[in-house]
Amino acid sequence: DADVTQTPRNRITKTGKRIMLECSQTKGHDRMYWYRQDPGLGLRLIYYSFDVKDINKGEISDGYSVSRQAQAKFSLSLESAIPNQTALYFCATSDRHNEQFFGPGTRLTVL
Amino acid sequence: KQEVTQIPAALSVPEGENLVLNCSFTDSAIYNLQWFRQDPGKGLTSLLLIQSSQREQTSGRLNASLDKSSGRSTLYIAASQPGDSATYLCAVPPSGSSNTGKLIFGQGTTLQVKP
Repeated sequence: DADVTQTPRNRITKTGKRIMLECSQTKGHDRMYWYRQDPGLGLRLIYYSFDVKDINKGEISDGYSVSRQAQAKFSLSLESAIPNQTALYFCATSDRHNEQFFGPGTRLTVL
Repeated sequence: KQEVTQIPAALSVPEGENLVLNCSFTDSAIYNLQWFRQDPGKGLTSLLLIQSSQREQTSGRLNASLDKSSGRSTLYIAASQPGDSATYLCAVPPSGSSNTGKLIFGQGTTLQVKP
């Protein structure tokens, strides 16, 4: 089984809809991250969490919110999706050496 | 502000060739540097992590070097194979951060190894 899993893997939604992307990890890491990847812009950090009670904004947090339900679970929400949030979304974890491990990604399309 | 550049953006080589991928960063005060591989439409796979106190790391046919003073890292792939075809990304922490786990990514080098 994969160490970092994401659901759903693909999602098509309409403008204005609320959507949640979920991430689970079995690596036992305290640190978790959400990134988005866009062609030509690379990977950008949305939110990160060092433990259940420590959540921080990344460089592009506007329009997004997160929830750290447990050490192993970190969810990303789009309260009112818009087309420019169409992207590939990745969850990641890191160990005490700060080596990051990524999930398989969620391809989100907002129409 | 930390910026990461990877040149070239794309590279095509025949099978069996040894090759070098380059990564440059503007702020040399980095905590570590990580190389990743990404297959099309897939997640990132960690290849090598180099701590700031290290000069290089090796894993199989891969060797990554780090020269902090010049703001450069190279990923050396020996005896390339078609299965090595992918996009290779390097990443370093943002300026002013140490052990935060945050990363700034380069745009990547897309490698194609032809049989």
